[in-house]
Amino acid sequence: DIQMTQSPSSLSASVGDTVTITCRASQGISNSLAWFQQKPGKAPKSLIYATSSLQSGVPSKFSGSGSGTDFTLTISSLQPEDFATYYCQQYKSYPITFGQGTRLEIK
Amino acid sequence: EVQLVESGGGLVQPGGSLRLSCAASGFTFSDHYMDWVRQAPGKGLEWVGRIRNKANSYTTEYAASVKGRFTISRDDSKNSLYLQMNSLKTEDTAVYYCARRATASALDIWGQGTMVTVSS
Repeated sequence: DIQMTQSPSSLSASVGDTVTITCRASQGISNSLAWFQQKPGKAPKSLIYATSSLQSGVPSKFSGSGSGTDFTLTISSLQPEDFATYYCQQYKSYPITFGQGTRLEIK
Repeated sequence: EVQLVESGGGLVQPGGSLRLSCAASGFTFSDHYMDWVRQAPGKGLEWVGRIRNKANSYTTEYAASVKGRFTISRDDSKNSLYLQMNSLKTEDTAVYYCARRATASALDIWGQGTMVTVSS
């Protein structure tokens, strides 16, 4: 199975900051990497697919990059609604696997 | 509006069975692969399994943790996805989400989830 490791596990930032979350795959996954946002008590929301493509309706403040084993999610100009938990997911091979999540908190 | 709505969750004893449903609307359900993803209380997301579309013979994939106990099926005439869960364990306690796989291969639409509690 491909293990997905996110760092950091938690992150404190202020409104207006730019933050970067890293996701590392235990083996190469090409660009088969997605990012999801989840707020407490809510379903996940799809943000990015194929490493860097935004899902419909997702603002351009979210961006993704990487390839192979190392990937990043960058969120610019943080707003209160951006504070949530973020998950990466590989869909290169079965079983599909998620990172453990990164909790983004308001400083 | 594109929408997925899960139902069927509840309290079940260890060793018991439960069937979850996911009703799809607002898109051509039969075209898409569909997934189940779960989230134990206070934990992260765990992929449960996938069913492909008719063009791919409705074949399925499962996580090792549920293989042999859970079965994913679909009824395209009813725009519905199902998860039959047998031999339930306490560690199956979670919110279960259905999700649509977009043509770009990643999940794009999620349901609101249904809670399954396995406890005596």
